[in-house]
Amino acid sequence: QQQVKQSPQSLIVQKGGIPIINCAYENTAFDYFPWYQQFPGKGPALLIAIRPDVSEKKEGRFTISFNKSAKQFSLHIMDSQPGDSATYFCAASYMSGTYKYIFGTGTRLKVLA
Amino acid sequence: DAGVTQSPTHLIKTRGQQVTLRCSPKSGHDTVSWYQQALGQGPQFIFQYYEEEERQRGNFPDRFSGHQFPNYSSELNVNALLLGDSALYLCASSLEVAGAYEQYFGPGTRLTVT
Repeated sequence: QQQVKQSPQSLIVQKGGIPIINCAYENTAFDYFPWYQQFPGKGPALLIAIRPDVSEKKEGRFTISFNKSAKQFSLHIMDSQPGDSATYFCAASYMSGTYKYIFGTGTRLKVLA
Repeated sequence: DAGVTQSPTHLIKTRGQQVTLRCSPKSGHDTVSWYQQALGQGPQFIFQYYEEEERQRGNFPDRFSGHQFPNYSSELNVNALLLGDSALYLCASSLEVAGAYEQYFGPGTRLTVT
């Protein structure tokens, strides 16, 4: 119940394509879902986050889609660039009570020039 | 505004030894969390410190301990190191504001146990 399942494990797209990364969770008590971007040798950087009371959130080229009934959420990267090549992690947490983040296993994205 | 800083960057230790990792949170942040990230995996929550006390702990043995100082900086201590402790150790700081609780990560300390 504490797991967050992330797919695919790796993804290759052409420049300008729209990679989509999916995550699924079981625990309906989760109420905060951030996405992180991590480059090799660096710590994860917060990209965008969503609460379950909205179905979509956009920040720049990054969009989160959230399906509360299916307990799934996904990250879309519009007009992807080679500089977006990194590992992306979804996570889930509670905004009160417990404070830890449960991370997915990561998706390694490569954007070809 | 300085982000989360961690030291050292890299560390090599021998099995059975002890190690101390350090973290300075983002300016104004009062909460520090520690995560272990094995190669090719997502970060795993170790514990979180708030007001100099351990507020929550993940599924890690007592060999992992920590401390938070009055200036909110934090240390992670690992005793009796095992080969399996080799990983990237990440510190994240946060501040709860109006129900929002974003965590910001440092660059990590790469620990290698031989």
